[in-house]
Amino acid sequence: RKEVEQDPGPFNVPEGATVAFNCTYSNSASQSFFWYRQDCRKEPKLLMSVYSSGNEDGRFTAQLNRASQYISLLIRDSKLSDSATYLCVILGGSDYKLSFGAGTTVTVRA
Amino acid sequence: NAGVTQTPKFQVLKTGQSMTLQCAQDMNHNSMYWYRQDPGMGLRLIYYSASEGTTDKGEVPNGYNVSRLNKREFSLRLESAAPSQTSVYFCASSHPGQGANEQFFGPGTRLTVL
Repeated sequence: RKEVEQDPGPFNVPEGATVAFNCTYSNSASQSFFWYRQDCRKEPKLLMSVYSSGNEDGRFTAQLNRASQYISLLIRDSKLSDSATYLCVILGGSDYKLSFGAGTTVTVRA
Repeated sequence: NAGVTQTPKFQVLKTGQSMTLQCAQDMNHNSMYWYRQDPGMGLRLIYYSASEGTTDKGEVPNGYNVSRLNKREFSLRLESAAPSQTSVYFCASSHPGQGANEQFFGPGTRLTVL
């Protein structure tokens, strides 16, 4: 079983729609959780951290469910510029090593 | 601040050739990493360096060597390239303990081994 699993998508949504997707992880001792964004043929960049109580950053909401071992990302009022691949990233027992999911592709259409 | 820079951006090698991928960061970060990214797979850690003078193997180290030349620079060497090493290589850096352990990535090197 992979450490981090994501639905690859693609999720094709119209502008203004809400899109949500999950990521499951296998290591119950995982400490920290993140969503990174990767544009086509570009490097990944941190979108947001995921806190136990859930957190929002503008139109983006992240949730953590430790009991079921998944995190989620919800994008409200989608913009064309939200089209990207979203990587689920988990920090396990080490201070230095992150585990990356393969990514969920979101395409927002006009 | 340039952030994390990588050279070259693109490279084509023949099987058996060697090359070194260069990475430098100007953020005074202690930790640096080399990843490879293949279609349908997440980024996989090749080697990392927690601090200047130390290096450790990651998930997929076979066929690679690294050198942490100083705090700024971390190079990745392919001694005898194989087609299975065709991939996009990303270097990253971070400062453990600060914030959310955010890693900053370079623009990547697209390597093709024929």
